[in-house]
Amino acid sequence: AQSVAQPEDQVNVAEGNPLTVKCTYSVSGNPYLFWYVQYPNRGLQFLLKYITGDNLVKGSYGFEAEFNKSQTSFHLKKPSALVSDSALYFCAVRDRNQAGTALIFGKGTTLSVSS
Amino acid sequence: EADIYQTPRYLVIGTGKKITLECSQTMGHDKMYWYQQDPGMELHLIHYSYGVNSTEKGDLSSESTVSRIRTEHFPLTLESARPSHTSQYLCASSASRVGMNTEAFFGQGTRLTVV
Repeated sequence: AQSVAQPEDQVNVAEGNPLTVKCTYSVSGNPYLFWYVQYPNRGLQFLLKYITGDNLVKGSYGFEAEFNKSQTSFHLKKPSALVSDSALYFCAVRDRNQAGTALIFGKGTTLSVSS
Repeated sequence: EADIYQTPRYLVIGTGKKITLECSQTMGHDKMYWYQQDPGMELHLIHYSYGVNSTEKGDLSSESTVSRIRTEHFPLTLESARPSHTSQYLCASSASRVGMNTEAFFGQGTRLTVV
């Protein structure tokens, strides 16, 4: 069975500091991995994905994520946080060998960036 | 911006009423999904479709039903709304490409309140 874990319900950082939002996954085969962001009363917006190739993936709004197969992790990072980055972040996974299935999401991590 | 639309954005309705939440996408995606999300919480897959006349139930049991008569349209219906149905409903779509698993695009969501 596929699953995603986001161990932190909330991450607090000061503006200008680097941020990390953690994600670990479990799939029977190789994963496709995704990060989404959700602002209040909105749908989910796609940030970035790992399909294959370089383990460091760059996405929208200066975010990046590093795929680590040995640790089964896909942590989201940004070198310098902005107050406007405050939102709810979801990690998602799909087993590459089950291409027809829907994305499985983690529980979400609330990022709060203080000025 | 993704071309996937949900109506209405907000709906307050009395117990026992029949409701249909609309979802349409103009990207020609064959796969469509409905997720249920309580505010600020995780997403639960309730229905999905791989194409016209294909519908499946998701991981979370739901009293709602769906239909897929046209590729672009994936409405969700509750025959008799109850307060326990109060939640946010998110529609999403994705494409199938041989050898490539693309991200899902989300609508803005419908926030349903049953009183």
